[in-house]
Amino acid sequence: GQQVMQIPQYQHVQEGEDFTTYCNSSTTLSNIQWYKQRPGGHPVFLIQLVKSGEVKKQKRLTFQFGEAKKNSSLHITATQTTDVGTYFCAGPSPGAGSYQLTFGKGTKLSVIP
Amino acid sequence: EAGVTQSPTHLIKTRGQQATLRCSPISGHTSVYWYQQALGLGLQFLLWYDEGEERNRGNFPPRFSGRQFPNYSSELNVNALELEDSALYLCASSYQPEAFFGQGTRLTVV
Repeated sequence: GQQVMQIPQYQHVQEGEDFTTYCNSSTTLSNIQWYKQRPGGHPVFLIQLVKSGEVKKQKRLTFQFGEAKKNSSLHITATQTTDVGTYFCAGPSPGAGSYQLTFGKGTKLSVIP
Repeated sequence: EAGVTQSPTHLIKTRGQQATLRCSPISGHTSVYWYQQALGLGLQFLLWYDEGEERNRGNFPPRFSGRQFPNYSSELNVNALELEDSALYLCASSYQPEAFFGQGTRLTVV
């Protein structure tokens, strides 16, 4: 079945440093979604990418969708302590409902003040 | 507008017992998705309900079942609980392009 892999599993950065997490799917995706889960919280939707090669920015966050629509990345510039949490990528399962998602295992970001 | 609500927040059960978890989607959302988030395993798709019907289920044993009511709220039932069922159970409803997750039910099996 479809697999979504994410690396790294953990990342510790000094406040102000940049951070990147990478996501790879075993199958071509119709879209990819990113979620953030704060410690003790629930996943919160960040963004959806649909087009091949798409790049979207949200303030200090930059999201990319690969040309082959099988990989994606999230880059955070100048991390802040508010960025702490686990970042998940997710893609729709082939042939299923749009929100039957296959999630990567997430990248847990720690920011050292 | 209220978000996705789940109850109870925490649930402690003994191995072999049954657990019932509840979810109310955002008003107007007809689909409910259940996910299990076990430690170190990320979110795994469990069940999808839409318009009162089970549309799909993930790779989980039949001990995991549920239903959706006419008001679109949903129940997840886990029978014959095992220790490895301990996890955060998340319910989500969707409105393009995002899925909205509830706060989850933390199930602990002892």
